[in-house]
Amino acid sequence: EVQLVESGGGLVQPGGSVRLSCAASGFTFSTYWMHWVRQGPGKGLVWVSHINSGGSRTEYADSVKGRFTISRDNAKNTLFLQMNSLRAEDTAVYYCARDLSGLDDFWGQGTLVTVSS
Amino acid sequence: QSVLTQPPSASGTPGQRVTISCSGSSSNIGSHDVCWYQQLPGTAPKLLIYRSNQRPSGVPDRFSGSKSGTSASLAISGLRSEDEVDYYCAAWDASLSGWVFGGGTKLTVL
Repeated sequence: EVQLVESGGGLVQPGGSVRLSCAASGFTFSTYWMHWVRQGPGKGLVWVSHINSGGSRTEYADSVKGRFTISRDNAKNTLFLQMNSLRAEDTAVYYCARDLSGLDDFWGQGTLVTVSS
Repeated sequence: QSVLTQPPSASGTPGQRVTISCSGSSSNIGSHDVCWYQQLPGTAPKLLIYRSNQRPSGVPDRFSGSKSGTSASLAISGLRSEDEVDYYCAAWDASLSGWVFGGGTKLTVL
């Protein structure tokens, strides 16, 4: 069974940092592009970042460029999102997703990050 | 302000056919495939349509997608009460080098 399980969310102060993880199982993780997508409370979906299967290519939304870093450990089947200099507007549920928009599209259940003092 | 433009709401009666539009530009819908997601409250989005008009296995054929120029549409026929959820379009944007989503459409079944 394909599973993506996000973790690492919680309450963090403005200007703080947090590292999200997404543990993958049930498929060959190392062959897929992986993504982070977020959804603010009561708001729509916003793509955050993606990384290619080998980890050599990454791209980011302008709103997080220079503050967030996506990475992956194919040996441990895990995707990461390092989030620095957090702002109130970064408050959202963060989803990891496999093969966004493709036939093998699959999303985790998300982890909530709340940026507040 | 989302790069892709969807109506915030749509409605129809049971059994009716409704369409949801998604408007973009030459850098996204005009040159790349569109996909559509359905999102139930409190759950992760589920892919309904990929490559503009293809349905993943398990998605009922009541759902169909189309694309023309810089716009795309999701059509739902034989409307049911369980269709009353949120729908999002998405596409790759070559100018932004990133994925863009529509703002979402909340469908109401009257």
